[in-house]
Amino acid sequence: DTEVTQTPKHLVMGMTNKKSLKCEQHMGHRAMYWYKQKAKKPPELMFVYSYEKLSINESVPSRFSPECPNSSLLNLHLHALQPEDSALYLCASSQEGAQGVFGDTQYFGPGTRLTVL
Amino acid sequence: KQEVTQIPAALSVPEGENLVLNCSFTDSAIYNLQWFRQDPGKGLTSLLLIQSSQREQTSGRLNASLDKSSGRSTLYIAASQPGDSATYLCAPSGFQKLVFGTGTRLLVSP
Repeated sequence: DTEVTQTPKHLVMGMTNKKSLKCEQHMGHRAMYWYKQKAKKPPELMFVYSYEKLSINESVPSRFSPECPNSSLLNLHLHALQPEDSALYLCASSQEGAQGVFGDTQYFGPGTRLTVL
Repeated sequence: KQEVTQIPAALSVPEGENLVLNCSFTDSAIYNLQWFRQDPGKGLTSLLLIQSSQREQTSGRLNASLDKSSGRSTLYIAASQPGDSATYLCAPSGFQKLVFGTGTRLLVSP
């Protein structure tokens, strides 16, 4: 099973709302990622978790708050977002290689299409 | 900072043609390079992964090559089919992160 699932598929929220995106994998991967993708642009890395600890935060605004409650789950909590945060949010996972290098294939979920009004 | 460029940005070919997608990157200190495809509004599907010590990797009609020293990779698609229509992204991997290229939008017409 090489599947990464993401819920919800679509989300519309106002700027004062609080919502969460969820990502799940059962491949035993210990590295999990959040990416943001704007229309007609490549994905941009937001966060990396390694063994349930935040490993990389690419200077993402604090209105995005990641959480990794266990090795299979990754959440992205959203609060006070702006319309420019509307995008496709992608989750991915991979095995972690030697010395913390993520040298293995990343498996992506289908994404959550987020619209902020 | 790694910068990744893909040429061409868009490509339209008739079914059956062989084609080559190009990827160039500025920092040759990579661990591997992955090629992905993305259908409109969907997630990414991994096609091939080439380790930095490898020169080539093949999967079915796809063949990817890597020249790390010159910062280049190519994806060769043989006998293209309409189902190959998608955006193709290359992503060299540095320490703990992938950096995605700008993508090539491929349209294969019947």
